[in-house]
Order: sequence, then C-alpha cells, then structure tokens
Amino acid sequence: DVKVTQSSRYLVKRTGEKVFLECVQDMDHENMFWYRQDPGLGLRLIYFSYDVKMKEKGDIPEGYSVSREKKERFSLILESASTNQTSMYLCASSRIGPQETQYFGPGTRLLVL
Amino acid sequence: QKEVEQNSGPLSVPEGAIASLNCTYSDRGSQSFFWYRQYSGKSPELIMFIYSNGDKEDGRFTAQLNKASQYVSLLIRDSQPSDSATYLCAVYTGRRALTFGSGTRLQVQP
Repeated sequence: DVKVTQSSRYLVKRTGEKVFLECVQDMDHENMFWYRQDPGLGLRLIYFSYDVKMKEKGDIPEGYSVSREKKERFSLILESASTNQTSMYLCASSRIGPQETQYFGPGTRLLVL
Repeated sequence: QKEVEQNSGPLSVPEGAIASLNCTYSDRGSQSFFWYRQYSGKSPELIMFIYSNGDKEDGRFTAQLNKASQYVSLLIRDSQPSDSATYLCAVYTGRRALTFGSGTRLQVQP
C-alpha cells in the first residue's frame, strides 16, 4: 500500500524560528514535492526533487529551502518563519513520467505566531 | 490568466443527480490530466486521470478531455452525500510537477 508520511500533523512556531518539516515515502519514488495550500489559492508548488541531492524551485520558493539526502526523505526548511507562512503543507511523491500519479501525505498544519 | 482554472463553487446537486465539474487549462502542450478529491481537513486523493481525447469511465466517474478546446471535465453519476468534497483538477505540462487548479467545492444534498 502506498504510503507518504509527514513528521507532524500540527505545528505552532514563533516568528523567526527555524522550522523543519519532514516527509518520508516508502514507494521508491524518484520525485518528491512540497506544496502549500491556502483557501482560495489552491495547491502551490514550493520545491520539488527528482533525485537525491537534486532540487528545483517551484512557483513560490522564497523563504523556503529543501534537502534530499536519501531517496525516501524530503525535508522542507523555513529558515526564519514568518506569519505569512502559516498554512497547510502537503508533501507528495511520484514516479517519473506524465502519467504517474502523485500520492500525498496527510499534511502539516503550521501556525506561525 | 491562471494556468488551470476551476469554478470555486459551491456546486450544489441533489442526491442521485449527475454532478458536472469543469476545468480549463492554458498550456496547449499539456500531456495528462488528473482529478483529485479532497475532503475537508484531509489530503488530496486521486480519482482518475486521462491523457487521450474523449471519455474515460471508472465506476460512477467519467473524465472527459477535449484538447482542442483545452478543457477537461469530471462527471459523477448518482451523486451521494459522501461525494461532497473539493475536487481538484491537475495538469502535467512536462515540467515534472503537476499544476493544480484551486478546486471546485461540491455539495450533494440528501
């Protein structure tokens, strides 16, 4: 059974803190993605990775960085959290190819105070 | 113009009716198209995908693709209250990642 897990379901952080969100997939997928989802704005791609140590910027990378040291694990880092980064963060993974489904993790709801 | 556009809704249909959800996209080079369902507070889950012009059926769901007109639709037959959710259209344009619309909220009235 397909499985993508995220390290936390809910997080509360203070402005200026460094925040780590972790995602693990057990399907040996090459691609991994980080999205944020906000009401009325839909899913927006922050970063994705198509191989270990490889990353590409998505549509809204500012204020974020990522790390992929192992194939199954993809981390999203907020270097200095700000209130406008309060959001739902969704991780996904897929095989390479135009017909490959993206499978999502349960999401992390982050509140930055 | 957004790359993938959906009417935000809510689309309200009575139980047992056909729900029709529509999506338009701007990139003519788009290769494949996905419909995800997302319940409130949950993550998106795939319903079906389509990559050839025409219809594709899976149980009560039918995806329709018209590349010339750049739209894709999802029909839900015999709608049930459990179908009440937000439906996300996603498009693969060859840049490795999917581009998502903002979703249409469907309400099925018992």
